[in-house]
Amino acid sequence: NAGVTQTPKFQVLKTGQSMTLQCAQDMNHNSMYWYRQDPGMGLRLIYYSASEGTTDKGEVPNGYNVSRLNKREFSLRLESAAPSQTSVYFCASSDALVVGGELFFGEGSRLTVL
Amino acid sequence: GENVEQHPSTLSVQEGDSAVIKCTYSDSASNYFPWYKQELGKRPQLIIDIRSNVGEKKDQRIAVTLNKTAKHFSLHITETQPEDSAVYFCAAKGSNYQLIWGAGTKLIIKP
Repeated sequence: NAGVTQTPKFQVLKTGQSMTLQCAQDMNHNSMYWYRQDPGMGLRLIYYSASEGTTDKGEVPNGYNVSRLNKREFSLRLESAAPSQTSVYFCASSDALVVGGELFFGEGSRLTVL
Repeated sequence: GENVEQHPSTLSVQEGDSAVIKCTYSDSASNYFPWYKQELGKRPQLIIDIRSNVGEKKDQRIAVTLNKTAKHFSLHITETQPEDSAVYFCAAKGSNYQLIWGAGTKLIIKP
């Protein structure tokens, strides 16, 4: 039982390049999330998927796209990376049917855009 | 818009003393308030949570209190230990069912 697995752990991009962050969970959770974490700003929601087949914008969606490939997998794509997207990205999942619903996070992906 | 304010941003306490972190939320419809701990270089992990129908919850050295009238909630850690050093985040589940996060408190335990 690996929990939430995200790849890659580290990535360096040049401005304008594209990349996809992959996330998979093995807890049969309905909901999945992508957050970014910047110093002093806590966790900001980029996109989420309440259930398989649905995706919604969070607080900071500009410059990102997502795909809920199936119940297990939720990917985040940067089409044209910008230095402002340098951050640590966390994928998370939760059982949305449970009131409250603990978030289980992946280990994080540190992205640097030069 | 909805927001959660968290104070202080940094808290330094002597080992063995207590630590208190406070959060204020704006959405009166919020009904779920978790606290997450993030050790350096690690992922955030849930340490305790409270629902709006409860005023206080304890788990060993950790407690959370909720004042719905004032719209604030607090994390209390007693008998602090070196392993309590981390960044702590509060959050509130808003009317759109998504968590609104505080900016975090860096807790430093001095030996």
